[in-house]
Amino acid sequence: LAKTTQPISMDSYEGQEVNITCSHNNIATNDYITWYQQFPSQGPRFIIQGYKTKVTNEVASLFIPADRKSSTLSLPRVSLSDTAVYYCLVGDSGGGADGLTFGKGTHLIIQP
Amino acid sequence: NAGVTQTPKFQVLKTGQSMTLQCAQDMNHNSMYWYRQDPGMGLRLIYYSASEGTTDKGEVPNGYNVSRLNKREFSLRLESAAPSQTSVYFCASRPLGGDSGNTIYFGEGSWLTVV
Repeated sequence: LAKTTQPISMDSYEGQEVNITCSHNNIATNDYITWYQQFPSQGPRFIIQGYKTKVTNEVASLFIPADRKSSTLSLPRVSLSDTAVYYCLVGDSGGGADGLTFGKGTHLIIQP
Repeated sequence: NAGVTQTPKFQVLKTGQSMTLQCAQDMNHNSMYWYRQDPGMGLRLIYYSASEGTTDKGEVPNGYNVSRLNKREFSLRLESAAPSQTSVYFCASRPLGGDSGNTIYFGEGSWLTVV
């Protein structure tokens, strides 16, 4: 079961690009890297997922180096509404609990 | 398109009472999960069901039981509630296999207070 390490908290300002890095040194060959966002009093929401290199969607980009031992979630031009907790998960697509252990996540605070 | 639906949303229990949290998903997902989240903490996995008819313990199963009633429904039961079980409970589901990876869909949460 691949474990992940993220910074506990980060802060930035509106309009800036924010990068949150997650370490997952013992990632397995079949593992995907998935990021979630959670607002207070809500369940986590899927943001982006990748296996290698770079993935981009309308919300964020995910950068994964060749060794896949870390990944970086990039949020372009953040706004106050991006203040949330961000979780990095690593695991495969099997039906068990692999990759479904959430850490404490990164509490991102965006200031005006 | 309801996704994952949990009931009740709020509940207050007295110590020693029992109750069941209901969860249903309409996405035809194979796997379903129950998490708890204490204030300021991450989510901890209580139980999961990889497929209909199977259930397994997660990180914090003590004091809970689950039932995978059918493919859609996965309930969580507290037989004798304790104040330490005061928490927010999230049900989740995910598709199996392919490139679904760790794409998990969460319900809106059930706020449980045990007094």
